[in-house]
Amino acid sequence: DTEVTQTPKHLVMGMTNKKSLKCEQHMGHRAMYWYKQKAKKPPELMFVYSYEKLSINESVPSRFSPECPNSSLLNLHLHALQPEDSALYLCASSQDPGPTYNEQFFGPGTRLTVL
Amino acid sequence: QQPVQSPQAVILREGEDAVINCSSSKALYSVHWYRQKHGEAPVFLMILLKGGEQKGHEKISASFNEKKQQSSLYLTASQLSYSGTYFCGTETETSGSRLTFGEGTQLTVNP
Repeated sequence: DTEVTQTPKHLVMGMTNKKSLKCEQHMGHRAMYWYKQKAKKPPELMFVYSYEKLSINESVPSRFSPECPNSSLLNLHLHALQPEDSALYLCASSQDPGPTYNEQFFGPGTRLTVL
Repeated sequence: QQPVQSPQAVILREGEDAVINCSSSKALYSVHWYRQKHGEAPVFLMILLKGGEQKGHEKISASFNEKKQQSSLYLTASQLSYSGTYFCGTETETSGSRLTFGEGTQLTVNP
């Protein structure tokens, strides 16, 4: 299984809602990532988990809260988002942390719209 | 520091060749290349490492010039399926185990 899955595929939420994005991989990868991608722009790194521990937080606002319940799962909890947070949220994983020898496998993303 | 990609966009006819460049102002440890089709996830193409090592798809060709801190992706005998946005991601001496992606090069291959 060489796939990263993400649910839901699409999400529309109001600014007062609380929702969660889910990401799963069964490749035994030890690093997992959240990226945000706006239209016609590159992916922007948000968080990195290495061996289930948060290792990088790119100064992301606290309305985004990541969680890694186990080595296969990554969640992104959303609360009190702003319309400018509307974007494609991509999850990725790699065999080991650190990009030097490790390609990242991306999931299909969750298209988030904040009203 | 974000790498600079060129060109921003290129249009080809099937069978033509293209080169996409990626340059960094910082010393590079590795360069990654990904292709993203509209509405889909980025897909890994290749990693080029300082020192000459490469890892990726056999049909993809790329180079890494350590002196110039540049990488180039060579797309030869292009096929319709090559269409998409190509991103380079760089790991540098100051990037701290993270990849920073360039703005992308939009490649369109027409019949």
